[in-house]
Amino acid sequence: EVQLVESGGGLVQPGGSLRLSCAASGFTFSNYWMTWVRQAPGKGLEWVANIKQDGSEKYYVDSVKGRFTISRDNANNFLNLQMNSLRAEDTAMYYCGSGSHYDYWGQGTLVTVSS
Amino acid sequence: QAVVTQEPSLTVSPGGTVTLTCGSSTGAVTSGQYPYWLQKKPGQAPRTLIYDATYRQSWTPARFSGSLLGGKVALTLSGAQPEDEAEYYCLLLFSGGWVFGGGTKLTVL
Repeated sequence: EVQLVESGGGLVQPGGSLRLSCAASGFTFSNYWMTWVRQAPGKGLEWVANIKQDGSEKYYVDSVKGRFTISRDNANNFLNLQMNSLRAEDTAMYYCGSGSHYDYWGQGTLVTVSS
Repeated sequence: QAVVTQEPSLTVSPGGTVTLTCGSSTGAVTSGQYPYWLQKKPGQAPRTLIYDATYRQSWTPARFSGSLLGGKVALTLSGAQPEDEAEYYCLLLFSGGWVFGGGTKLTVL
């Protein structure tokens, strides 16, 4: 059974940092691009970042460039999102996704940026 | 980054047909943007229904179909069911990355 399980969310003050992780199982993790999307409370889905199978290509939405870093550990089937200089507008449920056609999605981890 | 536009809300009667559309601020949507349609219900993970504009995922009911139509990408629901009430999001690839549309809240009433 394919599973993507996000973790690492929580409450953080503006300007702080968090590291999200996504544990993958049930499929060949290293074969697929991986992506992070988010949904702020009462808002729509927003694509955040993605990373190529070998980590050689990474892309980000403009609003997180220079603050967020996506990475992956193919040996242990983990996707990560290092989030620095967090802002109130980063408050959202963060989902990881994968598969040849975004087939798989996790249940999400909640990030709240507030003082 | 580009803006992807969708109808904010639509209503369909049970058993009825409705078409949701998705357009791009950069011009006509093409198959080269690998258009996706995702369904999102409150408290649930996103679920991909359609990829590459017209292909259903294995779990996507046949009542959902995708097409390229007049420079936009479209999702048609034929024979709406109560469980189809959800937010529907279009997703397109641009040179700088992927962009979601603002979503269409579909009410089955």
